[in-house]
Amino acid sequence: DVKVTQSSRYLVKRTGEKVFLECVQDMDHENMFWYRQDPGLGLRLIYFSYDVKMKEKGDIPEGYSVSREKKERFSLILESASTNQTSMYLCASSSLTSGADEQYFGPGTRLTVT
Amino acid sequence: QQPVQSPQAVILREGEDAVINCSSSKALYSVHWYRQKHGEAPVFLMILLKGGEQKGHDKISASFNEKKQQSSLYLTASQLSYSGTYFCGTEIDTDKLIFGTGTRLQVFP
Repeated sequence: DVKVTQSSRYLVKRTGEKVFLECVQDMDHENMFWYRQDPGLGLRLIYFSYDVKMKEKGDIPEGYSVSREKKERFSLILESASTNQTSMYLCASSSLTSGADEQYFGPGTRLTVT
Repeated sequence: QQPVQSPQAVILREGEDAVINCSSSKALYSVHWYRQKHGEAPVFLMILLKGGEQKGHDKISASFNEKKQQSSLYLTASQLSYSGTYFCGTEIDTDKLIFGTGTRLQVFP
């Protein structure tokens, strides 16, 4: 069974802290994505990666960075967490095809920044 | 750039039909549909590609009008299990999806 796992389901951090959200997939997928989900705004793409050590900005990259040192692992980093980054964060992966393929999502991390 | 979904919410009784629409201001390579149940991750339903090819769920149908940059998801004879929030994802740039804000569907007995 395909699986995307995220390091925490719930996380509470203080303003200014550096936060790491980890995502691991076991499907040997080339593509990995980070989204944030907020009520009424849907899923918004933060960053994505086509390959190890490669990254591309999504629609809302400000305040975030990413790291992909291994194919199966994609990390989202909040350099200095702020209250407006309180949200649900979803990781997804997909295989590399000639176009966008089915994305498999992880269970999400609900981050609260106080 | 974010596609517009309509309606924002739908309430149905079991057995009734519903249509969810997704409209983009940009030319599209493909349209994807996902369903998210409360507290769970989004789950893939189907992909509609330029040229008419479809991949995905065999009990849900959808259409893709490339010229109008629109897609519709057809839920017929709805079941309780259809409840959830439906998202369309539009591919305007290679491999990258932009998701709509979602349509919340509730099916009651």
